[in-house]
Amino acid sequence: LAKTTQPISMDSYEGQEVNITCSHNNIATNDYITWYQQFPSQGPRFIIQGYKTKVTNEVASLFIPADRKSSTLSLPRVSLSDTAVYYCLVGDRNSGYALNFGKGTSLLVTP
Amino acid sequence: GAVVSQHPSRVICKSGTSVKIECRSLDFQATTMFWYRQFPKKSLMLMATSNEGSKATYEQGVEKDKFLINHASLTLSTLTVTSAHPEDSSFYICSARVAANNEQFFGPGTRLTVL
Repeated sequence: LAKTTQPISMDSYEGQEVNITCSHNNIATNDYITWYQQFPSQGPRFIIQGYKTKVTNEVASLFIPADRKSSTLSLPRVSLSDTAVYYCLVGDRNSGYALNFGKGTSLLVTP
Repeated sequence: GAVVSQHPSRVICKSGTSVKIECRSLDFQATTMFWYRQFPKKSLMLMATSNEGSKATYEQGVEKDKFLINHASLTLSTLTVTSAHPEDSSFYICSARVAANNEQFFGPGTRLTVL
């Protein structure tokens, strides 16, 4: 299973765009990239998933370069409520796309 | 998205007792459910994969006789922590995989405290 590496923590002010990059050098052909958000004492919440290029939904964008060895989660205009831990996972369809959680990135948004 | 529930949301028990945690997929059938454990300020660690109608597959280092998993129906999996000890205190999270597209949805978690 591909291992992921993310920054341990990031700080941002309200209203700014936040980009969190995840490295997954050993990603396999069948692997997808999925990002989850987790608040304290809650289960992870799905944010976005992609295979290549760019994916956008109502809460975030996911940028994946051609070699797929990294990906960047982009959160536009963050608010205080976006303070959470963000996990990048790499997995294939058979594993449900999300089995091995890395350490995640703890994002702190301040006024 | 699909909804997964867990019950109870938190439980406190005495050392040596057994505790059962339920994980339900509310609006879909889940042939596979996963159980995770999360210690404070740590990441989720996969404990086992539960398949409906068959024995669970445990990750290395997880004692199958201590953490009993039953997946008797397509909407319910249970995790029983037997003879719980204080070191078993943790946040237990389940997830369920949607058969149609293999997406995984997580439950809200169960906080177990063993005194």
